[in-house]
Amino acid sequence: DAKTTQPNSMESNEEEPVHLPCNHSTISGTDYIHWYRQLPSQGPEYVIHGLTSNVNNRMASLAIAEDRKSSTLILHRATLRDAAVYYCILRDLQGAQKLVFGQGTRLTINP
Amino acid sequence: DTEVTQTPKHLVMGMTNKKSLKCEQHMGHRAMYWYKQKAKKPPELMFVYSYEKLSINESVPSRFSPECPNSSLLNLHLHALQPEDSALYLCASSQGRGRGTGNTIYFGEGSWLTVV
Repeated sequence: DAKTTQPNSMESNEEEPVHLPCNHSTISGTDYIHWYRQLPSQGPEYVIHGLTSNVNNRMASLAIAEDRKSSTLILHRATLRDAAVYYCILRDLQGAQKLVFGQGTRLTINP
Repeated sequence: DTEVTQTPKHLVMGMTNKKSLKCEQHMGHRAMYWYKQKAKKPPELMFVYSYEKLSINESVPSRFSPECPNSSLLNLHLHALQPEDSALYLCASSQGRGRGTGNTIYFGEGSWLTVV
């Protein structure tokens, strides 16, 4: 599985935007970029995914670099409930049904 | 309903005990997963079932034995575990098909296992 690199931790303030970066320089053409997050004492939950184009949903936006070697998860207005570990994961849907987690970024939101 | 239900939420077992973790989903998903998560670490994939057949075993020791009795249920049978097996065990499910659709994986809240 292609590897992703994320900062270990980030901190932001409530009601401000948060940009969570992810590098994936060895991404292949069939890899989708997925983001999951894990709130304290809960299982991971899906946030967003994309292939080439930027994506928006009710939770976040995903900005994908033109060369696809990096991406950024954007939380437009962070709340305290967004404090979690965020995982950027590459998933080849032509291959096995795997979701392989990296170390993720622990996001702290200050009130 | 996008819920994956795991029972029990907490389990304490001795090293000679036999116990089981159970997982249930009613979303019509045909792929189900077991992950193991140690404190402050990311989840690690253990097993994947696709259409009730074991499709991936990530070299998990035989003291962990998965079972998929039907498309809605997934069990993890535990026997002769070690204290280092203490962890959060997460069950998950997905549609099982998903080329180009993202094929979201839904996780349960996990079962906290302590081996004494």
